[in-house]
Amino acid sequence: SAVISQKPSRDICQRGTSLTIQCQVDSQVTMMFWYRQQPGQSLTLIATANQGSEATYESGFVIDKFPISRPNLTFSTLTVSNMSPEDSSIYLCSGKGGGGFSVTQYFGPGTRLLVL
Amino acid sequence: KQEVTQIPAALSVPEGENLVLNCSFTDSAIYNLQWFRQDPGKGLTSLLLIQSSQREQTSGRLNASLDKSSGRSTLYIAASQPGDSATYLCAVPSSGSARQLTFGSGTQLTVLP
Repeated sequence: SAVISQKPSRDICQRGTSLTIQCQVDSQVTMMFWYRQQPGQSLTLIATANQGSEATYESGFVIDKFPISRPNLTFSTLTVSNMSPEDSSIYLCSGKGGGGFSVTQYFGPGTRLLVL
Repeated sequence: KQEVTQIPAALSVPEGENLVLNCSFTDSAIYNLQWFRQDPGKGLTSLLLIQSSQREQTSGRLNASLDKSSGRSTLYIAASQPGDSATYLCAVPSSGSARQLTFGSGTQLTVLP
């Protein structure tokens, strides 16, 4: 299994500012992902973080708004840029070992973001 | 496009009761199904991963079943406890994608002491 930690655990930010969330995995994982969970909603995938290259974004999410880095197999960051109140959500980092379908996917504890 | 539905949306039971949570999915060509637990304001804890070749997977008081042909999975919780109170989410890999999980909207469970 993999243990995933995130920093910060929560933050309150002003409109127009940016926040960078860090994700650390205790073991090497092949795939890392960033999800968003808006209030009362289920999880939506933002992007797949690719080691050493640009992230793969899902429909509706763009690099300018959510730049992602993944310098190695155990660490990734997600930046929420030029924030608005609509960005208030829980942001979750996730990882799994192996590229196949049969592997358990693990999640971090989430970063609870409130934008005023 | 894969869609995942969970029924009921909320459930309240007295302590000690056995209960069943339901999950259905529209595309039966899945490789696995995963059940998660989410406590209020927290991340997700993986409970069970059931492969498409399996019919059941058990962990302690939890038992997950999978019927691919009918597009259904159930999570059975035996002898429920107040500590089981949480939101339970099921998720399947999105159609044709190894990377994306499609999540249901969850069942919010409250176990009353």
